[in-house]
Amino acid sequence: SAVISQKPSRDICQRGTSLTIQCQVDSQVTMMFWYRQQPGQSLTLIATANQGSEATYESGFVIDKFPISRPNLTFSTLTVSNMSPEDSSIYLCSVDNRGSYNEQFFGPGTRLTVL
Amino acid sequence: LAKTTQPISMDSYEGQEVNITCSHNNIATNDYITWYQQFPSQGPRFIIQGYKTKVTNEVASLFIPADRKSSTLSLPRVSLSDTAVYYCLVGGNYGGSQGNLIFGKGTKLSVKP
Repeated sequence: SAVISQKPSRDICQRGTSLTIQCQVDSQVTMMFWYRQQPGQSLTLIATANQGSEATYESGFVIDKFPISRPNLTFSTLTVSNMSPEDSSIYLCSVDNRGSYNEQFFGPGTRLTVL
Repeated sequence: LAKTTQPISMDSYEGQEVNITCSHNNIATNDYITWYQQFPSQGPRFIIQGYKTKVTNEVASLFIPADRKSSTLSLPRVSLSDTAVYYCLVGGNYGGSQGNLIFGKGTKLSVKP
């Protein structure tokens, strides 16, 4: 298994600002994933981040709004840019279990509230 | 991508066996069936995965009929701590596949004393 930590655990931000969320894994992994979970809803995949290449975004998510960095095999960041109240959500990162794509380990999430 | 359908909610009592069924009529040949558990304020946790027939681990059993158009997660003797949302996912299980891990609405299981 992998242990994943996220920072910050929660934040309250003003409209129009940006927040960068950090995801740290205790082992080297090839793929990292970023999800959004709106209150009371299911998870939606935002993007997949491979080390050394551009992130791949799912339909409805764009790089200008959610830029992702993946500088090494244990770390990734997701930035929520030019925030609006609609961006209030829990943002989670995850990694797969040694190439077993369907078996992922999730971080605790970052609870973001935009005023 | 195969879509999944689960009951929105289920109630049970401590000590009972709980079976949650998921329908996935359009499952593809190379798709696996995976179940996750999510407690409030936590990320989802992998429970079990299978391709066909029956899979059992220390937490649950997964029953998959021959046509694979549905699957049933079985939780033996649930306790209050099993109260959570359970997600059924269907997708490929090979590296490099993107966008296959799609979470449905999940089943909210409430275990009562």
